[in-house]
Amino acid sequence: QVQLVQSEAEVKKPGSSVKVSCKASGGTFSSYTFSWVRQAPGQGLEWMGRIIPILDIANNAQKFQGRVTITADKSTSTAYMELSSLRSEDTAMYYCAGGLGGLDAYWGQGTLVTVSS
Amino acid sequence: QSVLTQPPSASGTPGQRVTISCSGSSSNIGSDYVFWYQQLPGMAPKLLIYRNDQRPSGVPDRFSGSKSGTSASLAISGLRSEDEADYYCAAWDDSLSGRVFGGGTKLTVL
Repeated sequence: QVQLVQSEAEVKKPGSSVKVSCKASGGTFSSYTFSWVRQAPGQGLEWMGRIIPILDIANNAQKFQGRVTITADKSTSTAYMELSSLRSEDTAMYYCAGGLGGLDAYWGQGTLVTVSS
Repeated sequence: QSVLTQPPSASGTPGQRVTISCSGSSSNIGSDYVFWYQQLPGMAPKLLIYRNDQRPSGVPDRFSGSKSGTSASLAISGLRSEDEADYYCAAWDDSLSGRVFGGGTKLTVL
């Protein structure tokens, strides 16, 4: 069974950056597509971008262009999402999701990122 | 507001059948697959339906999806108390070159 384990909660200052990790186990990491989805408190889901490790191709939602970087380390089966120039509106739960053929069949437990001065 | 439109709430009594709609456009639902997710309170979302009407293994056949034109629906039959959750539709949007979600529907089992 595939398991995605995300890094711990973070508290960041406005203007700084955060890097969230998502370590996969139990599956063929390179063959999967990994997406990042966030959810602000009491709000809906928002897609941020995705990466296909085997192709080394990543694409991001237009809203986050220039602020988000999604990468993958095949050697450690870990996907990363880095968000820069943080503002209070970026306070949210950040989820990674992965699966074959672009299906988000497996989800991490979520990482709460709080942006506060 | 969200690119895909869902009703904010839905409700039903145990055993009933409820339907949740998801409306989009030619650049998303009209040209690509629809996915549905269930999010139980305090939990990560879970893939419920993929490619319009396919269920991942482990998802009961009480859940079914359909798509017609630029709209899609999720139907839940034999409603149970544990179905009380938020439900989201999603699709790829060619104009935005990204995945878009509906705003979510909170299902209450009365």
